[in-house]
Amino acid sequence: QVQLQQWGAGLLKPSETLSLTCAIYGGSFSGYSWSWIRQPPGKGLEWIGEINRSGSTYSNPSLNSRLTISADTSKKQFSLKLNSVTAADTAVYYCARGYKGSSRDYWGQGTLVTVSS
Amino acid sequence: QSALTQPASVSGSPGQSITISCTGTSSDIGAYDFVSWYQQHPDKAPKLMIYDVSERPSGVSNRFAGSRSGNTASLTISGLQAEDEANYYCSSYTRTSTWVFGGGTRLTVL
Repeated sequence: QVQLQQWGAGLLKPSETLSLTCAIYGGSFSGYSWSWIRQPPGKGLEWIGEINRSGSTYSNPSLNSRLTISADTSKKQFSLKLNSVTAADTAVYYCARGYKGSSRDYWGQGTLVTVSS
Repeated sequence: QSALTQPASVSGSPGQSITISCTGTSSDIGAYDFVSWYQQHPDKAPKLMIYDVSERPSGVSNRFAGSRSGNTASLTISGLQAEDEANYYCSSYTRTSTWVFGGGTRLTVL
């Protein structure tokens, strides 16, 4: 059974860097795309970015300048770094696996990241 | 990129059918067959219900069906059950190689 386990700091101060990692258990890393998605408290889902099957990364234009998505295939992990965070970045962050087409079939448990001074 | 447009809420009685719409543009929903739908219960991760407009993942009830007409995708749930009460989100690939979600629809089973 595929599981995505994610971790990272849950409380940040404004201007700090958000850093999250997602590890894949019970399945392979290659052949899939890997996404980050966030959800501000009480609001909807927002696509952050992804690393595709070829290793190319794509990101939400609104976050592009602050965002880095990378992968360590040997560890079956991928990571998110978001610089210069503000209160607007407070959200539950999810990692997810992209299978075929538009499917994101497995999701991490979610990590609440709060940005507060 | 602008979010896809969904109604804020829909409701139905047990056993009835409801449809949730998701309106985009010719640059997203109308451009590709990459539309998906997710169900989210409170404090839970989203669950994939439909992908590629109308494909149902293994294990998802056949009461859930997806379709598309032009720039609008739809999710129809038939035979409503209490456990269907949740938030539903659509998502689409876009011409700029990014993904966009809808604002979400709260489904209430009366």
